[in-house]
Amino acid sequence: GQQVMQIPQYQHVQEGEDFTTYCNSSTTLSNIQWYKQRPGGHPVFLIQLVKSGEVKKQKRLTFQFGEAKKNSSLHITATQTTDVGTYFCAGLSLNDYKLSFGAGTTVTVRA
Amino acid sequence: GAVVSQHPSRVICKSGTSVKIECRSLDFQATTMFWYRQFPKKSLMLMATSNEGSKATYEQGVEKDKFLINHASLTLSTLTVTSAHPEDSSFYICSANSGVSDEQFFGPGTRLTVL
Repeated sequence: GQQVMQIPQYQHVQEGEDFTTYCNSSTTLSNIQWYKQRPGGHPVFLIQLVKSGEVKKQKRLTFQFGEAKKNSSLHITATQTTDVGTYFCAGLSLNDYKLSFGAGTTVTVRA
Repeated sequence: GAVVSQHPSRVICKSGTSVKIECRSLDFQATTMFWYRQFPKKSLMLMATSNEGSKATYEQGVEKDKFLINHASLTLSTLTVTSAHPEDSSFYICSANSGVSDEQFFGPGTRLTVL
């Protein structure tokens, strides 16, 4: 079945620095979605990428979808303490429209 | 925005008892609801997909007789953990899809502890 791998699992960032989390699917995706889960909270939808090579920005967050629609990345610039949490990518399968979540990247920020 | 509620938020039960968790879409009709299980510091594992008025579709390895799902209306799905055991202790999260987009709206989750 479809597998979605995400790295790194943990990201310790100095406040103000940039970082990137990467997501790879074993199969071509219909779309890829990104969610953020704050400590003790539930996943909250951030964005969806549908088109091959698509790039979307939300303030300091930049999301990319690969040309082959099998990989994606989330880049955060000038990290702030409010960025703390776990970021999950989730790939929507072409075949059965199931959402497969990556393992998540848990971000901590050093002030 | 779309809101999904879950009840209860926390439940502690004795081994062998059954626990029902409710998932409600508050301001939209959910054609499809999903049930996930999340272990500490782990990702979300899809357990089953629930469509209103039809039987749920369970993922491989998930026992349908142990995790009973009922999607009685377009705003309510329930998950019943039957004859719960300590290994069933986990964080159970539901999500709902309105059918308008692929976005899933997640409930706040239910922390189940089986003693």
